[in-house]
Amino acid sequence: GAVVSQHPSWVICKSGTSVKIECRSLDFQATTMFWYRQFPKQSLMLMATSNEGSKATYEQGVEKDKFLINHASLTLSTLTVTSAHPEDSSFYICSSWDESYGYTFGSGTRLTVV
Amino acid sequence: AQSVTQLDSHVSVSEGTPVLLRCNYSSSYSPSLFWYVQHPNKGLQLLLKYTSAATLVKGINGFEAEFKKSETSFHLTKPSAHMSDAAEYFCVMGYQKVTFGTGTKLQVIP
Repeated sequence: GAVVSQHPSWVICKSGTSVKIECRSLDFQATTMFWYRQFPKQSLMLMATSNEGSKATYEQGVEKDKFLINHASLTLSTLTVTSAHPEDSSFYICSSWDESYGYTFGSGTRLTVV
Repeated sequence: AQSVTQLDSHVSVSEGTPVLLRCNYSSSYSPSLFWYVQHPNKGLQLLLKYTSAATLVKGINGFEAEFKKSETSFHLTKPSAHMSDAAEYFCVMGYQKVTFGTGTKLQVIP
């Protein structure tokens, strides 16, 4: 089956620094990648949708300059949290969409900003 | 507009008893529906998916779900709960844009 590898699984960073999260599709090409944020004890909130080779589409209320998404190849999408603040601490998950496999989720990244 | 409603935020069952997690959907087209499970601080794992082939879908770990168009439901069931089933379960709908339910936390009592 399809596998999406997400790294890092957890990261602690200082306020003001930037953090990059990577999602790689293994053994298949992910034309579309979704990025979600999950607050404690809540469901996933879609942040943005990225398509390979084009700009990401951000959901209402998500700061595109703060959450930079790059989908430069069919197997790699990245989310960079720029100038992170404690309120950005959260669980971030990516998922790919493929006609054959449907949605495949990464294992998630726990970001803690101190 | 598309929506997914998980009717129970929290379900508690005894080990060895049946599990029922309820999900209703609203969609203007024939949807693809999924159930995912999430263990604490982990990503989401696909349990099963419905894509209009068979209305009764069997998934991993003994879970199954039945698509009922007349009731716009896609409830998740398991005949006998195990302790390892304790987790958060999400009903998900969508084709190229996903809509998540709010989740149901399943507690299994020994």
